[in-house]
Parts: sequence; structure tokens; C-alpha cells
Amino acid sequence: DIQMTQSPSSLSASVGDRVTITCQASQDIYNYLNWYQQKPGKAPVLLIYDTSNLETGVPSRFTGNGSGTDFAFTISNLQPEDIATYYCQQYDTLPPLFGGGTKVEIK
Amino acid sequence: VQLEESGGGLVQPGGSLRLSCAASGFSFGNYWMSWVRQTPGKGPEWVANIKQDGSQKYYVDSVKGRFTISRDNAKNTLYLQMNSLRAEDTAVYFCARDGSTCSSSSCVEDHWGQGTLVTVSS
Repeated sequence: DIQMTQSPSSLSASVGDRVTITCQASQDIYNYLNWYQQKPGKAPVLLIYDTSNLETGVPSRFTGNGSGTDFAFTISNLQPEDIATYYCQQYDTLPPLFGGGTKVEIK
Repeated sequence: VQLEESGGGLVQPGGSLRLSCAASGFSFGNYWMSWVRQTPGKGPEWVANIKQDGSQKYYVDSVKGRFTISRDNAKNTLYLQMNSLRAEDTAVYFCARDGSTCSSSSCVEDHWGQGTLVTVSS
């Protein structure tokens, strides 16, 4: 199985800040990497697919980049509604495993 | 796109449960579908998926031989039959649509239901 290592596990930032989350795959997954946002008690919501493609309706302050084994997810201009846990997920091979998550909080 | 899970509840170890997922707002029969579960405080875990016509099914190793995924395209409904349940199967179970963006092995889960809680305990 391809393991996904996500960091940090949590972060605290101010409104308007730029925050970056990283995700490392245990082997090459090309660009088959997704990012999801999950708020408490809710289902995950797809934000970015194929490393950098924004899902329809997702604000442009969310971006993703990377390739191979190293990927990054950035929220520029952090907003109060961005408080959530974010997960990366590879879908190059089955099972499509998720990272451990990054909980984003406001200072 | 709407996905609504049902069938969760409290069951004893070794027991069985069948989850259902009613789909609407899209052509259900045109999409692979998945089940994903999540234990509180942990990341989601993909459980199984099924091809449009039900001819191909894949499972995570921890549920192979115990869980069976199936679908009824006439009823726009996805199922997960769970047998020989263990405490470690306790989780919220989500159904998800596998969208049109795919690798050679799987597709992006682009829409999720709100989940149904399964608790395995004596």
C-alpha cells in the first residue's frame, strides 16, 4: 500500500495568513493526489484533485502543487470559514489511502 | 448530487449489519461507487468500491471476506453487507460517488453522503 505522510498535524494562524500543508507519498503517485476539507460532524469535501485542479465552486485562495512523492496545499489569505481538518489522498493505486490530517485553527 | 446513508446502529461483535445509500441527482448507473469509513479523530479509510454494472468489486484487506459491496441500479441504491463485525469496524460509514477523474486503478470520490454510525460493542 502507498502510505501518505501529512504535516503538520495541526497549525494555528491568523486571519489573512498564508498556510501550507505538505503531503509525502511512500512511492511515486505521479499527480494522482487529492485534497479534502472536513468540518466537525460533516463529510469530507473535495477541494483539489490531480494535485492542482480546483473543484468547481472552490475559492481560488486554495491551491495545490507538487508531483511524484512530494505535494503541498496552500491557503492564502486564511478566512474564519477555513477552520477545518484537511486531508490528502492518493488515488494512483488501490487502496486510495488518506494522510493523517491537518487541523487548522485560528489564533 | 445527493447521497443518503442508512442502516447504521449498535451491533454486538460477530454480528451483521447492512448499510444502504440512496442516490439522487445524477445517473447512478453511470458511476463507480465507494464506501469510506472514519473513526473519530482519525483520517478516512477507503473500504470498498464497485463498478457501474457490479461486475468488479475491490476491498481493503481488513474487510475482505467479511464485507460485501453491491448495488441496485434500478433503485439507485448502494449497499454494504457487513458480517463478522469487530470492535475495530466501529466508525462512521460514508458512501461516495467515484467521479470522472480517474487513474488506472481508481477514481476521485467527488461527492459524499453525511454518513451513518456503526458501533460494534457488547
